[in-house]
Amino acid sequence: EPEVTQTPSHQVTQMGQEVILRCVPISNHLYFYWYRQILGQKVEFLVSFYNNEISEKSEIFDDQFSVERPDGSNFTLKIRSTKLEDSAMYFCASWEELMVEQYFGPGTRLTVT
Amino acid sequence: AQTVTQSQPEMSVQEAETVTLSCTYDTSENNYYLFWYKQPPSRQMILVIRQEAYKQQNATENRFSVNFQKAAKSFSLKISDSQLGDTAMYFCALYPNQAGTALIFGKGTTLSVSS
Repeated sequence: EPEVTQTPSHQVTQMGQEVILRCVPISNHLYFYWYRQILGQKVEFLVSFYNNEISEKSEIFDDQFSVERPDGSNFTLKIRSTKLEDSAMYFCASWEELMVEQYFGPGTRLTVT
Repeated sequence: AQTVTQSQPEMSVQEAETVTLSCTYDTSENNYYLFWYKQPPSRQMILVIRQEAYKQQNATENRFSVNFQKAAKSFSLKISDSQLGDTAMYFCALYPNQAGTALIFGKGTTLSVSS
């Protein structure tokens, strides 16, 4: 069964550093998403991506965040200058239109020290 | 605004018993989807069950079933014959059925199953 993959599984970085979180969505899916979950809290939407551009973004997705699909498979989330409060689990998801289901990757745990 | 509310932060149940997790939601959409996701300690998000709003019949998946009350905007999850492996955080989520729209999650309910 196809699945969404994410790398790395855990990233530790220092405050102010740039990080890139990588995702490989399911190949025939059209919409891609990034969500964030601060430990013990609910899952929050960051951004959706369709046809090589941002479709929708939340208030959390400010200028320090960016997304791109540099090739036909990878989907990346970049945080330019990390803050302590960016420490969270970041989930990538892709959308299966016919089944109306978002498939989630295993997540990347980001720790900012 | 579209919202999802889970009013039970924590629940506990013994093995083999039945437990019901509550969820209420608000949306102005007429056609939408509701989901329950399970998040075990590994933190992977696993789809448990899905309900389409236009279907009156409640969805079931093995030991998992829902009670969907559209007029009351209520969507509860019933877990029968609870197993230790059901221990996890459970999230209720709303999909407004607009192409590319994000899921809207509740705050989650932590379920503990004990022997």
